[in-house]
Amino acid sequence: QQPVQSPQAVILREGEDAVINCSSSKALYSVHWYRQKHGEAPVFLMILLKGGEQKGHEKISASFNEKKQQSSLYLTASQLSYSGTYFCGTEVMTTDSWGKLQFGAGTQVVVTP
Amino acid sequence: DAGITQSPRHKVTETGTPVTLRCHQTENHRYMYWYRQDPGHGLRLIHYSYGVKDTDKGEVSDGYSVSRSKTEDFLLTLESATSSQTSVYFCAISESPPGTGYNQPQHFGDGTRLSIL
Repeated sequence: QQPVQSPQAVILREGEDAVINCSSSKALYSVHWYRQKHGEAPVFLMILLKGGEQKGHEKISASFNEKKQQSSLYLTASQLSYSGTYFCGTEVMTTDSWGKLQFGAGTQVVVTP
Repeated sequence: DAGITQSPRHKVTETGTPVTLRCHQTENHRYMYWYRQDPGHGLRLIHYSYGVKDTDKGEVSDGYSVSRSKTEDFLLTLESATSSQTSVYFCAISESPPGTGYNQPQHFGDGTRLSIL
């Protein structure tokens, strides 16, 4: 039931754009996005609700395609501070998923000068 | 930043010894979680709590137990540590549980790096 993230890793130059995808085989209430820098705790970025709502955090935005049960995270005009590992966490609409946020394996993003 | 303190931050111990990790929060959130993080696996839920003395298992609960006697404290115990439990352990808190549609974020502590030799 773990969501699938792609790509596993991406290398960008400052100012370039990237897209990270998170796909689930289950119907979702929402998708959470977190960023984790090396040796630190994951930090909450945003929640995408079913219904396709798009949200933003600085120049990082995301969308949620309810039909595909997929969320995409958009890194626009990337900055050095965007480097880190991005995780999606999914809230699944099943009775045995109560209380559980299921995380993908993560996408490592490296932004170079 | 959410008031979450994990202790110890680092620990090295030997196989077969008991280990207890502590998570302390000052946010008065009802829901607390223990995750382990290993390369290639992301964050995997060990146990979670939905109130004082109310806990349930996550996806990787074998070999772990938890207790919550106060709202602010959630303890994770490895009764007899094994090398496979070498990992980084994160505690998280939230105002409402996932899987319910309330859509509240989880906030993480700084983690405990545990090495079992």
